[in-house]
This record gives sequence, C-alpha cells and structure tokens, in this order.
Amino acid sequence: GAGVSQSPSNKVTEKGKDVELRCDPISGHTALYWYRQSLGQGLEFLIYFQGNSAPDKSGLPSDRFSAERTGGSVSTLTIQRTQQEDSAVYLCASSSPGQAMNTEAFFGQGTRLTVV
Amino acid sequence: LAKTTQPISMDSYEGQEVNITCSHNNIATNDYITWYQQFPSQGPRFIIQGYKTKVTNEVASLFIPADRKSSTLSLPRVSLSDTAVYYCLVGSADRGSTLGRLYFGRGTQLTVWP
Repeated sequence: GAGVSQSPSNKVTEKGKDVELRCDPISGHTALYWYRQSLGQGLEFLIYFQGNSAPDKSGLPSDRFSAERTGGSVSTLTIQRTQQEDSAVYLCASSSPGQAMNTEAFFGQGTRLTVV
Repeated sequence: LAKTTQPISMDSYEGQEVNITCSHNNIATNDYITWYQQFPSQGPRFIIQGYKTKVTNEVASLFIPADRKSSTLSLPRVSLSDTAVYYCLVGSADRGSTLGRLYFGRGTQLTVWP
C-alpha cells in the first residue's frame, strides 16, 4: 500500500510477556518516528530514526523499550516484560526530510496494546 | 526545541469560523510551524504548514505574525466532521541533518455542535 502500515492492529498480552510491534513506512521515507498515546492523552515521542540510525532515543520510557530499523525501511518496537502501564496506542510515522524544512509526517493507524 | 502552548479545548457551532492560537515563544530561525488533525482511533493527519505571514490551502489558513512567536489555525465554516484534536508543532528537518524531530503536545480538542 501507499501509506504507513502497522501490525498488529490490536495486541492483548499478559503482564510480563515481551511484544514486538512492526512499522512499514512509506517507501523511500528516510525518517521514522514512534509515538505512544494513552487514552485521552497527547502523543508521547519515543524514538526517531534517520535511516537505520536512531539519533534521538530520548523518549524511550525505560530500558524495557527498544527499537531497531533495518534496511532503512521496516522498524520494530520491542517492549520486554510488559507492564499494565504500557497499555496504549503505539503510532508510527514516516517522513522524507530530503527537502529542507519538510516536517510533514504520515502516520499509520497504530497498534493498540493492552496488557492484562 | 521550541515548546508550544495551545488551549486544551474549544467549542464551536456548525458554520462558524474557528481560530486556534498556538504560542511558541522560543521558535528558532529554521523552524517551521505545522498543524495536524487527529480523529479518534486514527493517527494524526497533516493539515497545513507555514514559515511566516499567511498560508492557505483547501482545508485551512495559517496566520503567522512577523515575530513568529505565535500562529493561528483558522478553519472556515466548520462542520460536525471537524470535531477532532488539533496539534501545533514547531520544528525543522534540515537536509542531511539528523536532528529532524516532531514533538506533539496535548493538542486542542475542538468540538463542533449542531
């Protein structure tokens, strides 16, 4: 498809389990972002990739969270030993900062994670 | 990074013009101002972007004063379907830079009533 694709769309997991969330950005987009959005809240920045590098990991809430990106394309956000407070919608976005000052990002539909 | 401040919520009626103002006192020379719209259960969607003065597209207008310390998103003749959260962002993504970032605040919940 032409848009940002995230999978799964919904994930229910037991507390303490590990989960992997996947993001397929728009082809050719070099920048990729992960956000977390809790119910009724704004978007919380997690991590930003430029190509395969992550120059900004400042938003990762704990060492249980990690992310990688391979081939300048697909990204995986991994949460280890999930806790109930990790329940949220995880949003991925991509953009093509090839043009100076271009900050238009395209978002996926998100993965709704529920930790029970 | 320039911090933004916008109202938490606004109410309007169908057919009215809505203006949402965002403050960004620490905006940098390279920063652009971008607005996004988010409907429930969806990711945010780009609405409009500007650097100075006025920008208009088929959806909205963006007014930016000369000092660029604030900006106003203007939605003409809103309808029920414009009920959403609107986010103001300030930032830049220079060519070849690794400093491209997008930070969202809590946004403004706009509710349009019949």
